[in-house]
Amino acid sequence: DAGVTQSPTHLIKTRGQQVTLRCSPKSGHDTVSWYQQALGQGPQFIFQYYEEEERQRGNFPDRFSGHQFPNYSSELNVNALLLGDSALYLCASSLTLSGNTIYFGEGSWLTVV
Amino acid sequence: GESVGLHLPTLSVQEGDNSIINCAYSNSASDYFIWYKQESGKGPQFIIDIRSNMDKRQGQRVTVLLNKTVKHLSLQIAATQPGDSAVYFCAETRDSGTYKYIFGTGTRLKVLA
Repeated sequence: DAGVTQSPTHLIKTRGQQVTLRCSPKSGHDTVSWYQQALGQGPQFIFQYYEEEERQRGNFPDRFSGHQFPNYSSELNVNALLLGDSALYLCASSLTLSGNTIYFGEGSWLTVV
Repeated sequence: GESVGLHLPTLSVQEGDNSIINCAYSNSASDYFIWYKQESGKGPQFIIDIRSNMDKRQGQRVTVLLNKTVKHLSLQIAATQPGDSAVYFCAETRDSGTYKYIFGTGTRLKVLA
């Protein structure tokens, strides 16, 4: 039973560029949430996807967007990268009808230079 | 506003001793609380959860205590081992549907040999 998988694990981008991060949820899960974790901080909620729609969103600008596919996998896109976007991006999955326990992947480390 | 905070940023304990990590929350509407362990370079790992209709829940070597009167949560680790060294986060959310998680900054647990 595969857990939450994310790719890539590490990447370096230049300011102004765009990045796409990918996530496959835990088998059987239908909901994907994305979190940003800056160094030394706790994860901050970006948004959540269910049934291919953004269901709720945290306090992040429109440069952050996402998508969920019919197989429940998801992408996080960040446009016009800023130095401050450097962080660990975590994907978490859950099964909506079984409560609110979420399970995290290992994350994608993004460095913006 | 909503917040989840931790009283101690770093906790050092001797191997074999018990560890207690504390957390305060401020959102009275939160009814589901979770502890995560995050090792260096990895994603948060689920440890134990508790719902607001409970005061105490025990797992393997871990116990979570919830005091709703003072909005306080604690994680107790019995017979702390070197493998317990990590950053521990508490998170609050609501158990109905899939609400966002609110994380604190985290407490680093160092186990001394």
